[in-house]
Amino acid sequence: EDQVTQSPEALRLQEGESSSLNCSYTVSGLRGLFWYRQDPGKGPEFLFTLYSAGEEKEKERLKATLTKKESFLHITAPKPEDSATYLCAVRHTGNQFYFGTGTSLTVIP
Amino acid sequence: DTAVSQTPKYLVTQMGNDKSIKCEQNLGHDTMYWYKQDSKKFLKIMFSYNNKELIINETVPNRFSPKSPDKAHLNLHINSLELGDSAVYFCASSQPEVKGGEYFGPGTRLTVL
Repeated sequence: EDQVTQSPEALRLQEGESSSLNCSYTVSGLRGLFWYRQDPGKGPEFLFTLYSAGEEKEKERLKATLTKKESFLHITAPKPEDSATYLCAVRHTGNQFYFGTGTSLTVIP
Repeated sequence: DTAVSQTPKYLVTQMGNDKSIKCEQNLGHDTMYWYKQDSKKFLKIMFSYNNKELIINETVPNRFSPKSPDKAHLNLHINSLELGDSAVYFCASSQPEVKGGEYFGPGTRLTVL
């Protein structure tokens, strides 16, 4: 059964304290792994797409990596404005997106 | 410029009523989706339309019916609303053959009393 699991559920960091969020997946025919950011009261905002193991993408303080079973979203020296829920999703050959339950990140000044 | 828009933003209604949520995208995407996000923030796909044809229906009750008048619009009509329908509903669009994720609308918070 296709499944996407994110950990931890919630993460509190001091400003400047780097950490990583995890997304584990089991899906047949992976057509991409996607990271989104969701702020309260808003729709998810697309961040990155990863397609093959070993691929990495970077944007400001965020870096996403992909292996055959999981993806990590590394946050380097986070700032309070990085506080949000980060969602992971996978798309398989049926063109369906399956989302994880998200990691709620709080960065304390 | 708004990419994916939804109306209304908030919808409060009584059990048993029928309501609709409208969605429009100006990205030229071929595929549009409806998602339900529950209180635990879990996003579950409900429907997907590709060029006005339904290609996914994820065991959603038939009280929910998507309507796509053209490929830029995907509306969601809900009959006989129930308490459990209370959630945030998101519309999204994507272009499957183009590398990239989905673009989401701002969401419609539905509260059934």
